[in-house]
Amino acid sequence: GAGVSQSPSNKVTEKGKDVELRCDPISGHTALYWYRQSLGQGLEFLIYFQGNSAPDKSGLPSDRFSAERTGGSVSTLTIQRTQQEDSAVYLCASSPSVSGANVLTFGAGSRLTVL
Amino acid sequence: GDSVTQMEGPVTLSEEAFLTINCTYTATGYPSLFWYVQYPGEGLQLLLKATKADDKGSNKGFEATYRKETTSFHLEKGSVQVSDSAVYFCALTLKTSYDKVIFGPGTSLSVIP
Repeated sequence: GAGVSQSPSNKVTEKGKDVELRCDPISGHTALYWYRQSLGQGLEFLIYFQGNSAPDKSGLPSDRFSAERTGGSVSTLTIQRTQQEDSAVYLCASSPSVSGANVLTFGAGSRLTVL
Repeated sequence: GDSVTQMEGPVTLSEEAFLTINCTYTATGYPSLFWYVQYPGEGLQLLLKATKADDKGSNKGFEATYRKETTSFHLEKGSVQVSDSAVYFCALTLKTSYDKVIFGPGTSLSVIP
């Protein structure tokens, strides 16, 4: 597609429920990143994909968080048993992974509110 | 570890004032450096970049020079406008086994008429 698409744009859920956030990167972009942006905070790295592989999962905050990518395209970030501290904007970005000048294109984000 | 540090915000300036947002980094090797901007209600977008020492990135009147000796990449603009109100993020890419991207905490800028 023309840009990075994320859905849903807004999600309100109850504590303890599972949520899935979807990212559709720019066609042909092999690298995909997930970040979390909490209110008034910077960007917290969560996970990186190169194709369907995730060589760096070091940013996932706990085992309640998982992510997958299929067909080298769409990625899903799953949060199980959500907690109030999971409330944040979840940002997805993709890039063509040209080493040395890796410009990321970001989606508009999925705002998650856990009540 | 590798990191990016930015000046604390928020920064409030009058229109046409001079802007400097400081950014320093710690990294092994020679990273590429970036400034991203997030306008209210919008996603992050690239503002400018520099890939090697002494390079100057520029866009929309903003400039930043890659200073290896001071490990800095300060963002400057000679005359800010209300439309420049946004959050600015300094970032680096490490040329490691993959293109890891590390962001600073962001600096919020408000420009008042």
